[in-house]
Amino acid sequence: AQSVAQPEDQVNVAEGNPLTVKCTYSVSGNPYLFWYVQYPNRGLQFLLKYITGDNLVKGSYGFEAEFNKSQTSFHLKKPSALVSDSALYFCAVRPLGGYQKVTFGTGTKLQVIP
Amino acid sequence: EAGVAQSPRYKIIEKRQSVAFWCNPISGHATLYWYQQILGQGPKLLIQFQNNGVVDDSQLPKDRFSAERLKGVDSTLKIQPAKLEDSAVYLCASSGGRPATDTQYFGPGTRLTVL
Repeated sequence: AQSVAQPEDQVNVAEGNPLTVKCTYSVSGNPYLFWYVQYPNRGLQFLLKYITGDNLVKGSYGFEAEFNKSQTSFHLKKPSALVSDSALYFCAVRPLGGYQKVTFGTGTKLQVIP
Repeated sequence: EAGVAQSPRYKIIEKRQSVAFWCNPISGHATLYWYQQILGQGPKLLIQFQNNGVVDDSQLPKDRFSAERLKGVDSTLKIQPAKLEDSAVYLCASSGGRPATDTQYFGPGTRLTVL
């Protein structure tokens, strides 16, 4: 069975500093990987996804993520954090091939400090 | 383009009562998902429709939960009877392409409180 681990419940970073939100996964075969963001009282919004190809994926709002197959990781990064980036971030995975449901991690709360 | 619509946004009921949630996906999206998000957890897929057929309902508690998608557009999720542990946010999402890779677009969710 597939799974996603987001080891940090909360990440604090100063405005203007780089940020990293960690994600590791377990899946049979090759994965499709996703990052979503959730603002208070809102649904999830898509940020980026890795399907195949370049291991560095660029997404919305200046975010990017690097797929590392050997470490089974898909960390979310941004070079310079904004206060408006403060939100809940979810990593998700589904196996390549056929129908499989998406499994979400438990989420990481990002707090950007002015 | 209009997003995924859900109603109601909030619902408070007593245990053993019934409740229904409605979802209108993005126009033209063939795939519709219902997720349950308990506080502090990630969304858990309850059921997935492809047009009006069920693709996956393996995590749907079928003794109390039911869902339908008539005419392959709108969908309703019902809980009857509700339990305290059903308190959660119920998210609807839709996608327009091949389910395995396509981006899911989420509605704002319905926050259910069972007393």
